[in-house]
Amino acid sequence: EAGVAQSPRYKIIEKRQSVAFWCNPISGHATLYWYQQILGQGPKLLIQFQNNGVVDDSQLPKDRFSAERLKGVDSTLKIQPAKLEDSAVYLCASSSLSGRAYNEQFFGPGTRLTVL
Amino acid sequence: GESVGLHLPTLSVQEGDNSIINCAYSNSASDYFIWYKQESGKGPQFIIDIRSNMDKRQGQRVTVLLNKTVKHLSLQIAATQPGDSAVYFCAEKPTGGYQKVTFGTGTKLQVIP
Repeated sequence: EAGVAQSPRYKIIEKRQSVAFWCNPISGHATLYWYQQILGQGPKLLIQFQNNGVVDDSQLPKDRFSAERLKGVDSTLKIQPAKLEDSAVYLCASSSLSGRAYNEQFFGPGTRLTVL
Repeated sequence: GESVGLHLPTLSVQEGDNSIINCAYSNSASDYFIWYKQESGKGPQFIIDIRSNMDKRQGQRVTVLLNKTVKHLSLQIAATQPGDSAVYFCAEKPTGGYQKVTFGTGTKLQVIP
């Protein structure tokens, strides 16, 4: 079974530039998550999709971050314009909808963003 | 508010010994607690979870203990191996909701050969 795919793996941009990250979840997984992981910290949830609808975006800085999941499969996360404090690893994860209270999340390798 | 924290940022263990990683949580309204392992350059990997109505759960070489009285969670790794070297995160899921979890800051486990 193929895992969660993310691209690019690394990105270096200057502040005020724009950047986009792509995620392809595990086939059949209805729930998709984007996390931000700052060095030395645990992942922080930015946005969660169930199929192509948003179920939680309470921690997404909506003035500069946006995400979409068209057709309920792939997803993109965009930052426009980037700030220095956006330097982090952006992780995508997916999980199935099995009816259990908790379904294991499978993470991709992440995209390491450096903002100069 | 919700918070999940870890007692020790770094833990060094001799190969073959048992490791114990601790975690304190503050949200009593959580129905699942989860441990993840993150190796350098990789995304977190699920290890084991425990439901809030349980005290103990065992997996392959790992045991999770939950003490709701003192809001404490621990992960025990038996016969620690070099491949266990990683950062370990505890996470909690509030009751209800859409599977959202909150991660702690992590403990780095270093296995000494």
